[in-house]
Amino acid sequence: LAKTTQPISMDSYEGQEVNITCSHNNIATNDYITWYQQFPSQGPRFIIQGYKTKVTNEVASLFIPADRKSSTLSLPRVSLSDTAVYYCLLAEDSGGYQKVTFGIGTKLQVIP
Amino acid sequence: GAVVSQHPSRVICKSGTSVKIECRSLDFQATTMFWYRQFPKQSLMLMATSNEGSKATYEQGVEKDKFLINHASLTLSTLTVTSAHPEDSSFYICSGWDRGSEQYFGPGTRLTVT
Repeated sequence: LAKTTQPISMDSYEGQEVNITCSHNNIATNDYITWYQQFPSQGPRFIIQGYKTKVTNEVASLFIPADRKSSTLSLPRVSLSDTAVYYCLLAEDSGGYQKVTFGIGTKLQVIP
Repeated sequence: GAVVSQHPSRVICKSGTSVKIECRSLDFQATTMFWYRQFPKQSLMLMATSNEGSKATYEQGVEKDKFLINHASLTLSTLTVTSAHPEDSSFYICSGWDRGSEQYFGPGTRLTVT
């Protein structure tokens, strides 16, 4: 599976917009870019998924340039409860099912 | 989103005993279920992939005889840690997937082997 690279940690003040960029230079044609959020001692929670251009849902936006070699997760107006680890993954169709590989993730600390 | 449950959420067992963890997809049929392990301050590591009715595919380095996976139905998969040892203490997380969707993760099971 193609590897992703993202910052290990980020700090942000409450109310600010946070952008977390992920690099995936070797992304394959069939790969979807997926972001998950994980709180301590909990399973990851799906945030957003996209293939190209821009995707927006009620909690985040995902920006993907034309070459798809990177992506940016945008969290508008973060609150303290957004403090978590955010994982950028490539979801690959592997022999009939979707396989993902977790990297280190970005630990986001929201400061009051 | 879809819901995946795990049971138990926490288990403590003695070294040498076996522990079974259940993973259920509550409101969808999971064609494929995955089992992950997460050690403190580390990322999730995929242990195995299982499709309903067939044998699980284990990742390199994961002992299939130690971590028994059964995926008897489209809504239930079980992971049995056999002859558990303290080094098997970890956070075990399952996920369910159906075609056209993303993976939905369970809340995890904290296993402590004493």
